Amino acid sequence: DAGITQSPRHKVTETGTPVTLRCHQTENHRYMYWYRQDPGHGLRLIHYSYGVKDTDKGEVSDGYSVSRSKTEDFLLTLESATSSQTSVYFCAISYRELSSYEQYFGPGTRLTVT
Amino acid sequence: AQSVTQPDIHITVSEGASLELRCNYSYGATPYLFWYVQSPGQGLQLLLKYFSGDTLVQGIKGFEAEFKRSQSSFNLRKPSVHWSDAAEYFCAVARYSSASKIIFGSGTRLSIRP
Repeated sequence: DAGITQSPRHKVTETGTPVTLRCHQTENHRYMYWYRQDPGHGLRLIHYSYGVKDTDKGEVSDGYSVSRSKTEDFLLTLESATSSQTSVYFCAISYRELSSYEQYFGPGTRLTVT
Repeated sequence: AQSVTQPDIHITVSEGASLELRCNYSYGATPYLFWYVQSPGQGLQLLLKYFSGDTLVQGIKGFEAEFKRSQSSFNLRKPSVHWSDAAEYFCAVARYSSASKIIFGSGTRLSIRP
């Protein structure tokens, strides 16, 4: 158990509204990631963070922003949600500082944009 | 560019039968390779990983995988499947020195026939 929680676990929102998803970890890992999972696409990286206030884009970052003001929290924001952002969102952490590149995942947030 | 291909979208095997899930990757150097499993409604769990050394790696739940450089493959095997193995399986590849570059395949859904 990597001590990762995500909130909320489920959310339904309307097109055009802002949405923020939270990822919280308890083990002070430096690297954190946000993915989205859609049928037929596996997991695709949205944004990642390699430290407090240090973030970078992944392969599907358009329409998303992130913030990391504390080691333990990594926030994903949809500034103006669209139906194409209906998906399951997973947060992950990496033990990369231990020279170990595998990632450990949270339970996911199911987001529906109507 | 890195890529991961899982050619089988859905596989059905009988309980007690052997299993092999295929994974091919495209990457110029020796990659870091992973298999993850996702049960319905759950997050992803790491089954096993390959970084270097012995090309046959053992994982949790009785799974193993073999790295074959000549075939750019990292197939997952289990000698005898159980009904609880029904899930979706993801192969993934990471590039040394890059925190962001874990690429996931699109997944193989495994069903178990009683």
